[in-house]
Amino acid sequence: TQLLEQSPQFLSIQEGENLTVYCNSSSVFSSLQWYRQEPGEGPVLLVTVVTGGEVKKLKRLTFQFGDARKDSSLHITAAQPGDTGLYLCARGNKLVFGAGTILRVKS
Amino acid sequence: KAGVTQTPRYLIKTRGQQVTLSCSPISGHRSVSWYQQTPGQGLQFLFEYFSETQRNKGNFPGRFSGRQFSNSRSEMNVSTLELGDSALYLCASSTGTGGSYNEQFFGPGTRLTVL
Repeated sequence: TQLLEQSPQFLSIQEGENLTVYCNSSSVFSSLQWYRQEPGEGPVLLVTVVTGGEVKKLKRLTFQFGDARKDSSLHITAAQPGDTGLYLCARGNKLVFGAGTILRVKS
Repeated sequence: KAGVTQTPRYLIKTRGQQVTLSCSPISGHRSVSWYQQTPGQGLQFLFEYFSETQRNKGNFPGRFSGRQFSNSRSEMNVSTLELGDSALYLCASSTGTGGSYNEQFFGPGTRLTVL
């Protein structure tokens, strides 16, 4: 099983702060997806990264895929309370998910 | 375009019973995947159906089964429920033709509680 390790597990920050969450694997993967899940709802796809070294931006969110395609990061600039949720990375057809990072942004 | 819908949203059952959950994918999507989410194990893949055939399967016991109909709607069934089956069951749909680049769209889930 090609596991995905996410860190940190939990992050509690003040509104306006920046943060980065990480997704790592010992194996190379052809693509990786980031999802955000709010309580009581299903995960919502944020982005898919495919090319090593790729950087994608979604408003205040910046996603990076490592050059070796074994790791990825999600950086949020000036976090807002609406960013609160569970952030999950996933790979593969049978989506293998990391355990997720619970983000809480306090106003 | 309507999203993925799941019914029911909440369900309470007792040990030993069986349960059937339903999922309607996004129009035009032929692949439906099912996942179990628990606080301890996170999100785990159950199985995927594509064009009425099971295409992929996770590591769950045979008590967990599914099927897909010609209109791509899918059901999953859990027989002989155990307390540990309490979870959020999520359905996701995709076109199913993207290979490893397989963007999936999730429904809101069915919260199953086994007493």
